[in-house]
Amino acid sequence: DARVTQTPRDKVTEMGQEVTMRCQPILGHNTVFWYRQTMMQGLELLAYFRNRAPLDDSGMPKDRFSAEMPDATLATLKIQPSEPRDSAVYFCASGLVLGSTSSYNEQFFGPGTRLTVL
Amino acid sequence: AQSVAQPEDQVNVAEGNPLTVKCTYSVSGNPYLFWYVQYPNRGLQFLLKYITGDNLVKGSYGFEAEFNKSQTSFHLKKPSALVSDSALYFCAVSWGRRALTFGSGTRLQVQP
Repeated sequence: DARVTQTPRDKVTEMGQEVTMRCQPILGHNTVFWYRQTMMQGLELLAYFRNRAPLDDSGMPKDRFSAEMPDATLATLKIQPSEPRDSAVYFCASGLVLGSTSSYNEQFFGPGTRLTVL
Repeated sequence: AQSVAQPEDQVNVAEGNPLTVKCTYSVSGNPYLFWYVQYPNRGLQFLLKYITGDNLVKGSYGFEAEFNKSQTSFHLKKPSALVSDSALYFCAVSWGRRALTFGSGTRLQVQP
Protein backbone atom coordinates (compact mmCIF):
# COMPACT_ATOMS: atom_id res chain seq x y z
CA ASP A 1 0.00 0.00 0.00
CA ALA A 2 1.07 3.63 -0.49
CA ARG A 3 3.46 4.98 2.12
CA VAL A 4 5.67 7.97 2.76
CA THR A 5 9.30 6.92 2.67
CA GLN A 6 12.21 8.68 4.33
CA THR A 7 15.94 8.20 4.03
CA PRO A 8 18.15 7.70 5.89
CA ARG A 9 16.38 6.13 8.85
CA ASP A 10 19.27 6.90 11.16
CA LYS A 11 22.06 9.42 10.80
CA VAL A 12 24.95 10.09 13.14
CA THR A 13 27.20 12.99 12.25
CA GLU A 14 29.61 15.41 13.78
CA MET A 15 28.92 19.02 14.55
CA GLY A 16 29.52 21.25 11.55
CA GLN A 17 28.73 18.62 8.94
CA GLU A 18 25.98 18.96 6.35
CA VAL A 19 22.98 16.69 6.74
CA THR A 20 20.44 15.95 4.01
CA MET A 21 17.21 14.11 4.71
CA ARG A 22 14.97 12.91 1.90
CA CYS A 23 11.28 12.18 1.68
CA GLN A 24 9.16 10.58 -1.00
CA PRO A 25 5.52 11.59 -0.50
CA ILE A 26 2.63 9.37 -1.47
CA LEU A 27 2.03 9.56 -5.21
CA GLY A 28 -0.73 12.05 -5.97
CA HIS A 29 -0.45 13.96 -2.70
CA ASN A 30 0.01 17.69 -3.21
CA THR A 31 1.07 18.78 0.28
CA VAL A 32 4.27 17.89 2.11
CA PHE A 33 5.18 18.69 5.70
CA TRP A 34 8.42 18.52 7.68
CA TYR A 35 8.24 18.05 11.46
CA ARG A 36 10.81 17.70 14.19
CA GLN A 37 10.13 15.69 17.34
CA THR A 38 12.10 15.98 20.57
CA MET A 39 11.31 15.07 24.15
CA MET A 40 11.52 18.70 25.24
CA GLN A 41 9.64 20.43 22.43
CA GLY A 42 7.33 17.70 21.26
CA LEU A 43 6.23 17.79 17.61
CA GLU A 44 7.17 21.02 15.81
CA LEU A 45 6.17 21.98 12.29
CA LEU A 46 9.24 23.17 10.40
CA ALA A 47 7.89 23.80 6.90
CA TYR A 48 5.28 22.74 4.41
CA PHE A 49 4.72 22.81 0.68
CA ARG A 50 1.74 22.64 -1.58
CA ASN A 51 2.18 21.75 -5.23
CA ARG A 52 5.93 22.02 -4.57
CA ALA A 53 5.71 25.67 -3.52
CA PRO A 54 6.73 26.56 0.03
CA LEU A 55 3.75 27.85 2.01
CA ASP A 56 5.29 28.34 5.41
CA ASP A 57 8.77 27.77 6.76
CA SER A 58 8.48 30.01 9.79
CA GLY A 59 9.21 27.11 12.11
CA MET A 60 12.62 26.53 10.61
CA PRO A 61 15.89 28.20 11.69
CA LYS A 62 16.66 30.03 8.46
CA ASP A 63 20.37 30.37 8.95
CA ARG A 64 21.07 26.67 8.83
CA PHE A 65 17.99 24.84 7.61
CA SER A 66 16.60 24.69 4.10
CA ALA A 67 13.73 22.72 2.60
CA GLU A 68 13.04 22.12 -1.06
CA MET A 69 10.95 20.05 -3.42
CA PRO A 70 12.99 19.48 -6.58
CA ASP A 71 10.08 17.53 -8.02
CA ALA A 72 6.73 16.12 -6.94
CA THR A 73 8.28 12.85 -5.79
CA LEU A 74 11.07 14.25 -3.63
CA ALA A 75 11.29 16.63 -0.70
CA THR A 76 14.58 17.43 1.01
CA LEU A 77 15.52 18.98 4.33
CA LYS A 78 19.09 20.15 4.74
CA ILE A 79 20.99 21.33 7.78
CA GLN A 80 24.29 23.12 7.23
CA PRO A 81 26.15 23.32 9.52
CA SER A 82 24.60 20.85 11.93
CA GLU A 83 24.72 21.38 15.69
CA PRO A 84 24.12 19.04 18.66
CA ARG A 85 20.82 20.80 19.41
CA ASP A 86 19.54 19.61 16.02
CA SER A 87 19.48 16.04 17.33
CA ALA A 88 15.89 14.86 16.97
CA VAL A 89 13.61 12.68 14.90
CA TYR A 90 12.57 14.41 11.69
CA PHE A 91 9.28 13.36 10.14
CA CYS A 92 7.93 14.00 6.70
CA ALA A 93 4.21 13.78 6.07
CA SER A 94 2.10 14.16 2.95
CA GLY A 95 -1.55 14.84 2.30
CA LEU A 96 -4.06 15.81 -0.34
CA VAL A 97 -5.78 19.16 -0.16
CA LEU A 98 -8.71 19.64 -2.51
CA GLY A 99 -10.67 22.78 -3.28
CA SER A 100 -10.03 26.41 -2.47
CA THR A 101 -11.52 26.38 1.01
CA SER A 102 -10.75 22.91 2.26
CA SER A 103 -8.56 22.39 5.25
CA TYR A 104 -5.77 19.92 5.50
CA ASN A 105 -7.10 16.42 5.65
CA GLU A 106 -5.32 13.59 7.35
CA GLN A 107 -1.59 13.59 6.94
CA PHE A 108 0.34 10.40 6.29
CA PHE A 109 3.60 10.26 8.16
CA GLY A 110 6.84 8.62 7.18
CA PRO A 111 8.87 6.50 9.63
CA GLY A 112 11.20 9.40 10.44
CA THR A 113 14.93 10.07 10.34
CA ARG A 114 16.66 9.88 13.70
CA LEU A 115 19.46 12.44 13.63
CA THR A 116 22.24 12.50 16.18
CA VAL A 117 24.78 15.32 16.01
CA LEU A 118 27.84 14.73 18.17
CA ALA B 1 -4.33 31.62 16.26
CA GLN B 2 -4.98 28.00 16.99
CA SER B 3 -3.83 25.79 19.82
CA VAL B 4 -4.56 22.46 21.36
CA ALA B 5 -3.99 21.21 24.90
CA GLN B 6 -3.61 17.69 26.18
CA PRO B 7 -3.70 18.13 29.94
CA GLU B 8 -2.43 14.65 30.85
CA ASP B 9 1.11 13.53 30.12
CA GLN B 10 0.14 9.94 30.86
CA VAL B 11 -3.04 7.92 31.30
CA ASN B 12 -3.01 4.53 32.98
CA VAL B 13 -5.86 2.09 32.56
CA ALA B 14 -6.40 -1.62 33.13
CA GLU B 15 -7.05 -3.87 30.18
CA GLY B 16 -10.77 -4.22 29.52
CA ASN B 17 -11.64 -0.92 31.17
CA PRO B 18 -12.84 2.11 29.21
CA LEU B 19 -10.27 4.76 28.41
CA THR B 20 -10.43 8.49 27.80
CA VAL B 21 -7.64 10.73 26.53
CA LYS B 22 -8.48 14.39 26.87
CA CYS B 23 -8.04 17.21 24.37
CA THR B 24 -9.19 20.82 24.34
CA TYR B 25 -8.68 23.29 21.55
CA SER B 26 -8.79 26.95 20.67
CA VAL B 27 -9.39 28.29 17.16
CA SER B 28 -10.88 31.42 15.64
CA GLY B 29 -13.24 29.59 13.30
CA ASN B 30 -14.86 26.21 12.88
CA PRO B 31 -12.31 23.60 13.95
CA TYR B 32 -11.09 20.56 12.13
CA LEU B 33 -9.96 18.06 14.77
CA PHE B 34 -7.78 14.99 14.48
CA TRP B 35 -6.35 12.19 16.59
CA TYR B 36 -3.12 10.42 15.74
CA VAL B 37 -1.30 7.55 17.45
CA GLN B 38 2.44 6.92 17.56
CA TYR B 39 3.93 3.55 18.38
CA PRO B 40 7.61 3.32 19.42
CA ASN B 41 10.06 4.15 16.62
CA ARG B 42 7.23 4.81 14.18
CA GLY B 43 5.64 7.79 12.53
CA LEU B 44 2.22 9.08 13.52
CA GLN B 45 -0.79 7.17 12.27
CA PHE B 46 -4.16 8.77 11.61
CA LEU B 47 -6.98 7.53 13.87
CA LEU B 48 -9.97 9.75 13.19
CA LYS B 49 -11.10 13.26 12.36
CA TYR B 50 -14.00 15.63 12.90
CA ILE B 51 -14.80 18.08 10.13
CA THR B 52 -18.55 18.60 10.41
CA GLY B 53 -21.72 16.65 11.15
CA ASP B 54 -22.25 14.08 13.88
CA ASN B 55 -20.44 15.00 17.07
CA LEU B 56 -19.45 11.38 17.70
CA VAL B 57 -16.76 10.26 15.32
CA LYS B 58 -15.69 6.64 14.96
CA GLY B 59 -12.19 5.74 13.86
CA SER B 60 -9.67 2.97 13.57
CA TYR B 61 -9.06 0.18 16.12
CA GLY B 62 -12.36 0.78 17.92
CA PHE B 63 -11.56 4.34 18.95
CA GLU B 64 -14.08 7.15 18.89
CA ALA B 65 -14.07 10.81 19.81
CA GLU B 66 -16.75 13.24 20.82
CA PHE B 67 -16.74 16.82 19.62
CA ASN B 68 -18.14 19.21 22.22
CA LYS B 69 -18.34 22.75 20.91
CA SER B 70 -19.46 24.36 24.17
CA GLN B 71 -16.55 22.85 26.07
CA THR B 72 -14.14 23.13 23.10
CA SER B 73 -13.14 19.52 23.66
CA PHE B 74 -12.47 16.49 21.51
CA HIS B 75 -11.77 13.61 23.89
CA LEU B 76 -10.65 10.25 22.56
CA LYS B 77 -12.44 7.20 23.94
CA LYS B 78 -12.54 3.46 23.71
CA PRO B 79 -15.02 1.21 25.54
CA SER B 80 -12.53 -1.56 26.33
CA ALA B 81 -8.78 -0.97 26.36
CA LEU B 82 -6.24 -3.45 25.01
CA VAL B 83 -2.60 -3.79 26.02
CA SER B 84 -1.75 -3.17 22.37
CA ASP B 85 -3.36 0.29 22.62
CA SER B 86 -0.39 1.43 24.70
CA ALA B 87 1.20 4.24 22.69
CA LEU B 88 1.56 8.01 22.41
CA TYR B 89 -1.59 9.82 21.32
CA PHE B 90 -1.69 13.25 19.70
CA CYS B 91 -4.63 15.57 19.25
CA ALA B 92 -4.41 18.14 16.44
CA VAL B 93 -6.48 21.09 15.27
CA SER B 94 -6.70 23.34 12.25
CA TRP B 95 -9.18 25.68 10.63
CA GLY B 96 -9.49 27.28 7.26
CA ARG B 97 -6.49 26.24 5.23
CA ARG B 98 -4.00 26.27 8.06
CA ALA B 99 -1.68 23.40 8.79
CA LEU B 100 -2.36 21.22 11.77
CA THR B 101 -1.23 22.24 15.24
CA PHE B 102 -0.43 19.22 17.39
CA GLY B 103 -0.78 18.85 21.13
CA SER B 104 2.06 17.72 23.35
CA GLY B 105 0.90 14.13 23.34
CA THR B 106 -0.48 11.77 25.99
CA ARG B 107 1.15 8.46 26.75
CA LEU B 108 -1.42 5.72 27.26
CA GLN B 109 -0.36 2.73 29.33
CA VAL B 110 -2.74 -0.23 29.43
CA GLN B 111 -1.88 -2.72 32.13
CA PRO B 112 -2.70 -6.42 31.68
